Amino acid sequence: GAGVSQSPSNKVTEKGKDVELRCDPISGHTALYWYRQSLGQGLEFLIYFQGNSAPDKSGLPSDRFSAERTGGSVSTLTIQRTQQEDSAVYLCASSLLGPGETQYFGPGTRLLVL
Amino acid sequence: SQQGEEDPQALSIQEGENATMNCSYKTSINNLQWYRQNSGRGLVHLILIRSNEREKHSGRLRVTLDTSKKSSSLLITASRAADTASYFCATAQRGGNKLTFGTGTQLKVEL
Repeated sequence: GAGVSQSPSNKVTEKGKDVELRCDPISGHTALYWYRQSLGQGLEFLIYFQGNSAPDKSGLPSDRFSAERTGGSVSTLTIQRTQQEDSAVYLCASSLLGPGETQYFGPGTRLLVL
Repeated sequence: SQQGEEDPQALSIQEGENATMNCSYKTSINNLQWYRQNSGRGLVHLILIRSNEREKHSGRLRVTLDTSKKSSSLLITASRAADTASYFCATAQRGGNKLTFGTGTQLKVEL
């Protein structure tokens, strides 16, 4: 079936506004991950979902960041009161069962906070 | 800190040459994976090597793993301009909940 999809592809927002990023994983994949990648950098882990629960949210940089997953499928990452340092590409990935497996990535959402 | 560190950070070669990228890591792993990223967007999985494996091949890719040295290498043979991308290693730690990605190697293959 279809791969991982993310929306929007690009988002420009003003400092202080809230943004919501969406991820649609591959159908049937129980594990879902969010990563952040700043320009020219590696991937920074944010949060991992197994089903609808998040066993590991250790990577969320502050309490302005939150994520949820419903129906064992779609996930949204919300950033409240955005700051300029939040500007990055936000990548979502899913895997069939768990974290040690091959992960399938979406195309990412490029966020720019002005 | 990053679990994986790749070197070199950047590599420029001519089409037809081989490209070798290295990855070092710090803790015990279940497996190590290599991914490719074009133009700063989504990553594509290339190959997975388990901790009890020493070498694996997939097409023009050859991956080695030395758990005693906590290192891995990715060899791309007979490179093509289309291989130009960033390459990342990622480790799945024993008992861990995530893949930890390295800093990446930017490969440029020139015609």
